[in-house]
Amino acid sequence: DTEVTQTPKHLVMGMTNKKSLKCEQHMGHRAMYWYKQKAKKPPELMFVYSYEKLSINESVPSRFSPECPNSSLLNLHLHALQPEDSALYLCASSQEQGDDYNEQFFGPGTRLTVL
Amino acid sequence: QKEVEQNSGPLSVPEGAIASLNCTYSDRGSQSFFWYRQYSGKSPELIMSIYSNGDKEDGRFTAQLNKASQYVSLLIRDSQPSDSATYLCAVITSGTYKYIFGTGTRLKVLA
Repeated sequence: DTEVTQTPKHLVMGMTNKKSLKCEQHMGHRAMYWYKQKAKKPPELMFVYSYEKLSINESVPSRFSPECPNSSLLNLHLHALQPEDSALYLCASSQEQGDDYNEQFFGPGTRLTVL
Repeated sequence: QKEVEQNSGPLSVPEGAIASLNCTYSDRGSQSFFWYRQYSGKSPELIMSIYSNGDKEDGRFTAQLNKASQYVSLLIRDSQPSDSATYLCAVITSGTYKYIFGTGTRLKVLA
């Protein structure tokens, strides 16, 4: 199984809602990533987990809260988002993080719309 | 600020032609380079990785790396309309080991 899965595919939420994005991989990878991608822009790194520990937080606002319950799962908890947070949220995984030669594999993404 | 630059395009080529996509990077210490294809509304899909100077071929795709000149390119032979997509160049930065993506080149293959 060489897939990264994400749920839900689409999410519409109000600014006062709390929701979560989920990501799962079964490739035995030890590093997992959250990216945000706006239209016609490249993916922007948000968070990196390595061996289930948060290793990189790219100064993301606290309304985004990541969680890594185990080596296969990655969640992104959302609370009090703004309309400008509407974007495609991508999960990725790689064998390791912190050295060269790491190929990252992306999930299909969650299209988030904040009203 | 470590940067990865690509021409945004669109790059239009006729079906059957060779498409040539280029990427330059600023971090001289980078060792790893990747090409991703992204269809509109979809997620990036890894096409090629390259770590050593020279050419690496995989089917219709050839990646070329020149670390001295700090550029990496992707050639697509016998281009097909299904190759029409945005191609993202990614570089692992030295020290932090983060992926830095270029802005992508939009390729249009005309039938």
